[in-house]
Amino acid sequence: KNEVEQSPQNLTAQEGEFITINCSYSVGISALHWLQQHPGGGIVSLFMLSSGKKKHGRLIATINIQEKHSSLHITASHPRDSAVYICAALTGNTPLVFGKGTRLSVIA
Amino acid sequence: DTEVTQTPKHLVMGMTNKKSLKCEQHMGHRAMYWYKQKAKKPPELMFVYSYEKLSINESVPSRFSPECPNSSLLNLHLHALQPEDSALYLCASSQDGGFTDTQYFGPGTRLTVL
Repeated sequence: KNEVEQSPQNLTAQEGEFITINCSYSVGISALHWLQQHPGGGIVSLFMLSSGKKKHGRLIATINIQEKHSSLHITASHPRDSAVYICAALTGNTPLVFGKGTRLSVIA
Repeated sequence: DTEVTQTPKHLVMGMTNKKSLKCEQHMGHRAMYWYKQKAKKPPELMFVYSYEKLSINESVPSRFSPECPNSSLLNLHLHALQPEDSALYLCASSQDGGFTDTQYFGPGTRLTVL
């Protein structure tokens, strides 16, 4: 059974700080989703990656398949980045396995 | 258009009511999903439709009844719910149901059962 662990569970940062959220998983995967959920519900898919690194604006996601580890970085953080960030593993033949999420608060 | 829409946004219902949640996407995706999410927990998969056929039912009680009338629409019919069914219900879609593609999520319907 694939376990997906995220750290930290909660994170408070000052505006402008560089933020890192980590995700590790226990078995082989085909890809990893990073998702963002703002208070009030909707989930936005930020990245899906199976190797290397992806960048979109101030967000960067990396994955190391051998080490079974992925990180989400936010540069120059802003209060509007406050949300829950969830990683989810795709194994290719089973439903997404979600981490428990990292609750990020960015204070002005 | 990478949008999944859900209606209604909020729903309050009694335990004897019958109501339906609706989800729609126009991305040509052939897989659609219902998830249930309780506060401060990750989403839990309920159902998957692939090419308009139910492919996964994660042992969901029969008081939840999904329906996929066509490839763009997904409904969740609710009947005789319990207060513990109160949650955020999320719909998602992906290119196909092989769990290899990005899933696009809707904004959710927040359901309260009295």
